[in-house]
Amino acid sequence: GEDVEQSLFLSVREGDSSVINCTYTDSSSTYLYWYKQEPGAGLQLLTYIFSNMDMKQDQRLTVLLNKKDKHLSLRIADTQTGDSAIYFCAESIQGGSYIPTFGRGTSLIVHP
Amino acid sequence: DGGITQSPKYLFRKEGQNVTLSCEQNLNHDAMYWYRQDPGQGLRLIYYSQIVNDFQKGDIAEGYSVSREKKESFPLTVTSAQKNPTAFYLCASSRGQTNTGELFFGEGSRLTVL
Repeated sequence: GEDVEQSLFLSVREGDSSVINCTYTDSSSTYLYWYKQEPGAGLQLLTYIFSNMDMKQDQRLTVLLNKKDKHLSLRIADTQTGDSAIYFCAESIQGGSYIPTFGRGTSLIVHP
Repeated sequence: DGGITQSPKYLFRKEGQNVTLSCEQNLNHDAMYWYRQDPGQGLRLIYYSQIVNDFQKGDIAEGYSVSREKKESFPLTVTSAQKNPTAFYLCASSRGQTNTGELFFGEGSRLTVL
């Protein structure tokens, strides 16, 4: 079955790199996503990676996928206070309805 | 601008009352979804619809109902049968089965039962 696990909290200092980790259980995952949620708002897609890729980089964001260990990570370089939010990992399965399964979210706190 | 609009943003309800949350999208998306968010529990799928006049139950459909009479609209009714309705409700849409599965979310509706 599908299950996505994340740690609940991460605290970093402004200017440092943040690494948010996620594990998933379904080896047939097709797409893996990172969404960002700011307080009191909806989710916005930050980036996604197709399961045949190992890495994807987009400006300050780097996504790493380890298919063997079913581990996904999101690295945010030069973390700013505006990056403080909840980050959700999600997966979807090809051949189904593509409805993503979400993790519980990691609250990133950036302090000066 | 294209997007998803949820209303109301805040809603208070007395126990035993039904309430309906509105969700409208002008993205011409085929699929629409309702999620419930509780602190520390992530997003749980209530209902989804992949085409007009059709919808399916998600993981926690009990105590909720939906309709999909128009492509752009997917209202959610929280009935009195829902035992713990206080939560943040998120509506989302996507292009359907032929895309990457990216969801576009509304800003959410916070329901509080008094």
